[in-house]
Amino acid sequence: NAGVMQNPRHLVRRRGQEARLRCSPMKGHSHVYWYRQLPEEGLKFMVYLQKENIIDESGMPKERFSAEFPKEGPSILRIQQVVRGDSAAYFCASSPVVERGMGGYTFGSGTRLTVV
Amino acid sequence: LAKTTQPISMDSYEGQEVNITCSHNNIATNDYITWYQQFPSQGPRFIIQGYKTKVTNEVASLFIPADRKSSTLSLPRVSLSDTAVYYCLVGEGATNKLIFGTGTLLAVQP
Repeated sequence: NAGVMQNPRHLVRRRGQEARLRCSPMKGHSHVYWYRQLPEEGLKFMVYLQKENIIDESGMPKERFSAEFPKEGPSILRIQQVVRGDSAAYFCASSPVVERGMGGYTFGSGTRLTVV
Repeated sequence: LAKTTQPISMDSYEGQEVNITCSHNNIATNDYITWYQQFPSQGPRFIIQGYKTKVTNEVASLFIPADRKSSTLSLPRVSLSDTAVYYCLVGEGATNKLIFGTGTLLAVQP
Protein backbone atom coordinates (compact mmCIF):
# COMPACT_ATOMS: atom_id res chain seq x y z
CA ASN A 1 0.00 0.00 0.00
CA ALA A 2 1.96 2.96 -1.27
CA GLY A 3 1.91 6.19 0.67
CA VAL A 4 1.20 9.62 -0.71
CA MET A 5 3.27 10.01 -3.86
CA GLN A 6 4.48 13.37 -5.04
CA ASN A 7 6.35 14.03 -8.23
CA PRO A 8 8.67 15.30 -9.26
CA ARG A 9 10.83 15.38 -6.12
CA HIS A 10 12.81 18.27 -7.51
CA LEU A 11 11.74 20.75 -10.15
CA VAL A 12 13.76 23.59 -11.62
CA ARG A 13 12.02 26.28 -13.62
CA ARG A 14 13.15 29.56 -15.12
CA ARG A 15 11.27 32.71 -14.24
CA GLY A 16 8.09 32.97 -16.30
CA GLN A 17 7.69 29.25 -16.90
CA GLU A 18 4.91 27.06 -15.55
CA ALA A 19 5.33 24.51 -12.77
CA ARG A 20 3.02 21.51 -12.37
CA LEU A 21 3.24 19.53 -9.16
CA ARG A 22 1.47 16.21 -8.80
CA CYS A 23 0.11 14.45 -5.75
CA SER A 24 -1.32 10.93 -5.80
CA PRO A 25 -3.16 10.29 -2.52
CA MET A 26 -3.14 7.00 -0.70
CA LYS A 27 -5.52 4.41 -2.09
CA GLY A 28 -9.04 5.11 -0.92
CA HIS A 29 -8.30 8.68 0.17
CA SER A 30 -10.53 11.33 -1.34
CA HIS A 31 -9.29 14.42 0.49
CA VAL A 32 -6.11 16.27 -0.42
CA TYR A 33 -4.38 19.21 1.24
CA TRP A 34 -1.51 21.25 -0.16
CA TYR A 35 1.05 23.12 1.97
CA ARG A 36 4.00 25.34 1.10
CA GLN A 37 7.20 25.52 3.12
CA LEU A 38 9.56 28.37 2.37
CA PRO A 39 13.23 27.83 3.30
CA GLU A 40 13.74 27.82 7.06
CA GLU A 41 10.03 28.40 7.69
CA GLY A 42 6.99 26.41 8.76
CA LEU A 43 4.25 24.77 6.71
CA LYS A 44 1.56 27.10 5.40
CA PHE A 45 -1.87 25.90 4.32
CA MET A 46 -2.69 26.53 0.67
CA VAL A 47 -5.75 24.56 -0.42
CA TYR A 48 -8.07 21.73 0.59
CA LEU A 49 -9.70 19.63 -2.12
CA GLN A 50 -12.02 16.71 -2.44
CA LYS A 51 -12.57 14.82 -5.67
CA GLU A 52 -13.71 17.35 -8.29
CA ASN A 53 -14.25 20.04 -5.62
CA ILE A 54 -12.19 22.83 -4.13
CA ILE A 55 -13.31 23.09 -0.52
CA ASP A 56 -11.05 25.86 0.74
CA GLU A 57 -8.45 27.76 -1.29
CA SER A 58 -8.05 30.65 1.11
CA GLY A 59 -4.33 29.98 1.51
CA MET A 60 -3.61 30.17 -2.20
CA PRO A 61 -2.20 33.35 -3.74
CA LYS A 62 -4.92 34.98 -5.80
CA GLU A 63 -2.93 35.03 -9.00
CA ARG A 64 -0.88 32.43 -10.87
CA PHE A 65 -1.75 29.53 -8.53
CA SER A 66 -4.45 26.95 -9.13
CA ALA A 67 -5.23 23.46 -7.91
CA GLU A 68 -7.44 20.62 -9.02
CA PHE A 69 -8.29 17.09 -7.95
CA PRO A 70 -10.07 15.37 -10.83
CA LYS A 71 -12.25 12.29 -10.60
CA GLU A 72 -9.43 10.24 -12.07
CA GLY A 73 -5.74 10.89 -11.61
CA PRO A 74 -3.60 12.87 -9.21
CA SER A 75 -4.18 16.25 -7.68
CA ILE A 76 -2.31 18.98 -9.53
CA LEU A 77 -0.92 22.22 -8.13
CA ARG A 78 -0.17 24.57 -10.98
CA ILE A 79 1.94 27.70 -10.75
CA GLN A 80 1.99 29.92 -13.80
CA GLN A 81 4.72 32.44 -14.63
CA VAL A 82 6.87 31.38 -11.70
CA VAL A 83 8.96 33.93 -9.82
CA ARG A 84 11.95 33.43 -7.53
CA GLY A 85 9.71 33.83 -4.48
CA ASP A 86 7.85 30.65 -5.46
CA SER A 87 10.96 28.61 -4.65
CA ALA A 88 9.88 26.37 -1.80
CA ALA A 89 8.97 22.84 -0.83
CA TYR A 90 5.37 21.93 -1.61
CA PHE A 91 3.81 19.11 0.39
CA CYS A 92 0.50 17.39 -0.02
CA ALA A 93 -1.38 15.25 2.46
CA SER A 94 -4.33 12.94 2.02
CA SER A 95 -7.08 11.76 4.31
CA PRO A 96 -9.68 9.01 4.02
CA VAL A 97 -12.47 10.31 6.18
CA VAL A 98 -15.34 12.63 5.56
CA GLU A 99 -15.38 14.08 9.05
CA ARG A 100 -12.50 16.39 9.54
CA GLY A 101 -9.78 15.63 11.97
CA MET A 102 -10.64 12.07 12.80
CA GLY A 103 -8.15 10.40 10.56
CA GLY A 104 -4.45 10.68 10.27
CA TYR A 105 -3.16 12.89 7.53
CA THR A 106 -0.40 11.21 5.57
CA PHE A 107 2.12 13.50 3.92
CA GLY A 108 4.13 12.97 0.79
CA SER A 109 7.86 13.62 0.55
CA GLY A 110 7.27 16.92 -1.18
CA THR A 111 8.33 18.65 -4.38
CA ARG A 112 11.18 21.10 -4.09
CA LEU A 113 10.70 23.86 -6.62
CA THR A 114 13.65 26.05 -7.51
CA VAL A 115 13.09 29.05 -9.72
CA VAL A 116 16.22 30.35 -11.44
CA LEU B 1 -7.15 35.45 14.42
CA ALA B 2 -5.23 33.49 17.02
CA LYS B 3 -2.16 31.65 15.79
CA THR B 4 -1.15 28.16 16.71
CA THR B 5 2.09 28.75 18.56
CA GLN B 6 4.97 26.67 19.83
CA PRO B 7 8.35 27.46 21.38
CA ILE B 8 10.89 28.11 18.66
CA SER B 9 13.46 25.69 20.00
CA MET B 10 14.32 23.36 22.84
CA ASP B 11 17.56 21.72 23.92
CA SER B 12 17.84 18.36 25.61
CA TYR B 13 20.29 15.56 26.37
CA GLU B 14 20.05 11.93 25.44
CA GLY B 15 17.87 9.91 27.78
CA GLN B 16 15.83 12.86 29.05
CA GLU B 17 12.09 13.33 28.71
CA VAL B 18 11.06 16.25 26.52
CA ASN B 19 7.72 18.04 26.63
CA ILE B 20 6.72 20.36 23.79
CA THR B 21 3.58 22.47 24.16
CA CYS B 22 1.37 23.88 21.44
CA SER B 23 -1.11 26.67 22.08
CA HIS B 24 -4.21 26.53 19.86
CA ASN B 25 -6.80 28.96 21.19
CA ASN B 26 -8.99 28.74 18.09
CA ILE B 27 -9.24 24.98 17.67
CA ALA B 28 -12.38 23.68 15.98
CA THR B 29 -14.78 21.89 18.30
CA ASN B 30 -14.71 18.54 16.53
CA ASP B 31 -11.14 18.43 15.34
CA TYR B 32 -8.35 16.27 16.63
CA ILE B 33 -4.86 17.45 17.50
CA THR B 34 -2.07 15.80 15.57
CA TRP B 35 1.69 16.02 16.01
CA TYR B 36 4.29 15.56 13.32
CA GLN B 37 8.06 15.24 13.14
CA GLN B 38 10.01 16.69 10.25
CA PHE B 39 13.63 16.09 9.29
CA PRO B 40 15.42 18.35 6.79
CA SER B 41 14.33 17.79 3.19
CA GLN B 42 11.59 15.35 4.22
CA GLY B 43 7.83 15.50 4.62
CA PRO B 44 6.12 15.63 8.01
CA ARG B 45 5.88 12.23 9.69
CA PHE B 46 2.90 11.36 11.89
CA ILE B 47 3.71 10.88 15.58
CA ILE B 48 0.46 10.86 17.54
CA GLN B 49 -3.12 12.13 17.49
CA GLY B 50 -5.69 12.81 20.19
CA TYR B 51 -8.94 14.59 20.97
CA LYS B 52 -8.88 15.00 24.75
CA THR B 53 -7.18 13.79 27.94
CA LYS B 54 -4.20 11.53 27.29
CA VAL B 55 -3.10 9.35 24.43
CA THR B 56 -0.02 7.12 24.41
CA ASN B 57 1.61 5.08 21.68
CA GLU B 58 4.95 3.36 21.27
CA VAL B 59 6.86 6.58 20.63
CA ALA B 60 5.11 9.41 22.50
CA SER B 61 2.33 10.61 24.76
CA LEU B 62 -0.06 13.46 24.14
CA PHE B 63 -1.69 15.42 26.95
CA ILE B 64 -4.74 17.57 26.22
CA PRO B 65 -6.44 19.61 28.94
CA ALA B 66 -10.22 19.83 29.21
CA ASP B 67 -10.46 23.18 27.41
CA ARG B 68 -8.36 21.80 24.49
CA LYS B 69 -6.70 25.17 23.96
CA SER B 70 -3.28 23.60 24.25
CA SER B 71 -1.61 20.23 23.98
CA THR B 72 1.71 18.79 25.11
CA LEU B 73 3.74 16.24 23.22
CA SER B 74 5.90 14.14 25.53
CA LEU B 75 8.89 12.23 24.18
CA PRO B 76 10.35 9.79 26.71
CA ARG B 77 14.10 9.22 26.78
CA VAL B 78 15.08 11.10 23.64
CA SER B 79 18.02 10.07 21.51
CA LEU B 80 20.20 11.95 19.03
CA SER B 81 17.98 10.77 16.18
CA ASP B 82 15.04 12.66 17.69
CA THR B 83 16.68 15.94 16.67
CA ALA B 84 14.07 17.40 14.32
CA VAL B 85 11.35 20.02 14.04
CA TYR B 86 8.06 19.10 15.71
CA TYR B 87 4.74 20.55 14.60
CA CYS B 88 1.24 20.39 15.98
CA LEU B 89 -1.64 20.41 13.49
CA VAL B 90 -5.16 21.48 14.37
CA GLY B 91 -8.36 22.37 12.60
CA GLU B 92 -9.18 26.04 12.78
CA GLY B 93 -12.56 26.96 14.17
CA ALA B 94 -15.21 28.03 11.66
CA THR B 95 -13.03 27.32 8.61
CA ASN B 96 -11.85 24.29 6.73
CA LYS B 97 -8.20 25.00 7.30
CA LEU B 98 -5.81 22.61 8.97
CA ILE B 99 -3.21 24.84 10.52
CA PHE B 100 0.29 23.86 11.53
CA GLY B 101 1.87 25.31 14.61
CA THR B 102 4.96 27.44 14.26
CA GLY B 103 7.21 24.45 14.87
CA THR B 104 9.73 23.60 17.58
CA LEU B 105 13.31 22.67 16.74
CA LEU B 106 14.40 20.02 19.24
CA ALA B 107 18.16 19.64 19.51
CA VAL B 108 19.30 16.54 21.40
CA GLN B 109 22.88 16.50 22.56
CA PRO B 110 24.97 13.55 23.74
